[in-house]
This record gives sequence, C-alpha cells and structure tokens, in this order.
Amino acid sequence: DVKVTQSSRYLVKRTGEKVFLECVQDMDHENMFWYRQDPGLGLRLIYFSYDVKMKEKGDIPEGYSVSREKKERFSLILESASTNQTSMYLCASSTGTSGWVEQFFGPGTRLTVL
Amino acid sequence: QKEVEQNSGPLSVPEGAIASLNCTYSDRVSQSFFWYRQYSGKSPELIMSIYSNGDKEDGRFTAQLNKASQYVSLLIRDSQPSDSATYLCAVTLRDDKIIFGKGTRLHILP
Repeated sequence: DVKVTQSSRYLVKRTGEKVFLECVQDMDHENMFWYRQDPGLGLRLIYFSYDVKMKEKGDIPEGYSVSREKKERFSLILESASTNQTSMYLCASSTGTSGWVEQFFGPGTRLTVL
Repeated sequence: QKEVEQNSGPLSVPEGAIASLNCTYSDRVSQSFFWYRQYSGKSPELIMSIYSNGDKEDGRFTAQLNKASQYVSLLIRDSQPSDSATYLCAVTLRDDKIIFGKGTRLHILP
C-alpha cells in the first residue's frame, strides 16, 4: 500500500513564525503535491513537484514556498505565518510522468495560526 | 476557468437504498476521473477511477462516465451508515493537472 506521512497532525503557531510542514512517501512516486482545504472552498493546490529539485506553482502559492531535496520528501514552508493560513494542509503523491493517475493523500496537518 | 461541479448536499439516503452522486466538468479533453471519499476530519481516500465511457463496478460502488455529456457519477448500492462522508469528484485537465470538486456530503439514514 502507498503510504504518505505528514510530520504533524495538529500544529499551533503564532503570527510571523516560520512554519515547516513535512511530507514523506514510501512508494518511490515521482509527483508530490501540497493542498490546503477550507470549508466551502474545497481542495486548492499550493505547489507541486514532478521531480527532485523541481517545483511548480499551483493555484494559491502566495505566502508559501516548497523544497524537494530528495525524491521521497516534499516540504511546505510558510515564511511568515498569518491567521489566514489557518487550514487543513494535505500532501499527496502519484506515480508516473503524467498527472493522469490517482493521487494518494497523507493524513493531513491541521494548522492553527494565532 | 476549468471547473468541476458537484451538488454540495447534504444528500440523505435511507440505509439499504442506492445513493447517486453526480459530477459535471467543463474541460472536454479530460481523460481521467476519480472519486474520493473523505470522512470528517480525515484525508481523502481514493475509491474509484474511470477512464472510458460506460460503467465500472467495484463491490457496492459503480462509477459511470459519459464524456459526450461531460458528467461522471457514483452509485453506492445497499448504502450503509459507514458510507456517510463527503465524496469528492476529481478530473484531469489537458495539462495533466487534477481539479477537485468541492464535494457532496452524503448522509445515510439508519
């Protein structure tokens, strides 16, 4: 079974802090994704990566950056956390050179910024 | 703007009945279609994928795809209380990105 893990299930941070969210997958998937999910807004793509050291902006990249130094690990960074970044953050991975395949999600990190 | 539309619900279905969830999409060249189930507070879990017109059955679940009409549906037979969840429809776009609908909340009445 594909396993995607995220570093924390719940996280509370203060405004202005730098926040790191880690995601690791153990199935040698090429593609990794970061989403946030908010009530009424659904899943929104923040960043994605099709290869090591490669990253592309999704629909809402502002206020975020990412890092992919190893194939299995994809990190999301909030440079200076703000209250409007309080959300559920979901990491996903998929195989292949195309996005036309299923994405598998990690358990999510519920981030609260005070 | 490429879109995936779902009725937000809640859709209430008696236990044992058939639940029918619908999804329409705007990109005519979409090739891959997925249904995810998401329990409250949990992450989405893939339950069905479908790539060609027609029906695909897996246990109590049947996915139906009609590319000419640009809709995909999910039928759940013999609905159980454990099927109560939000169901997300996901569709690939011509540039290989996946777009998710906002989901339909399904409530199975015991």
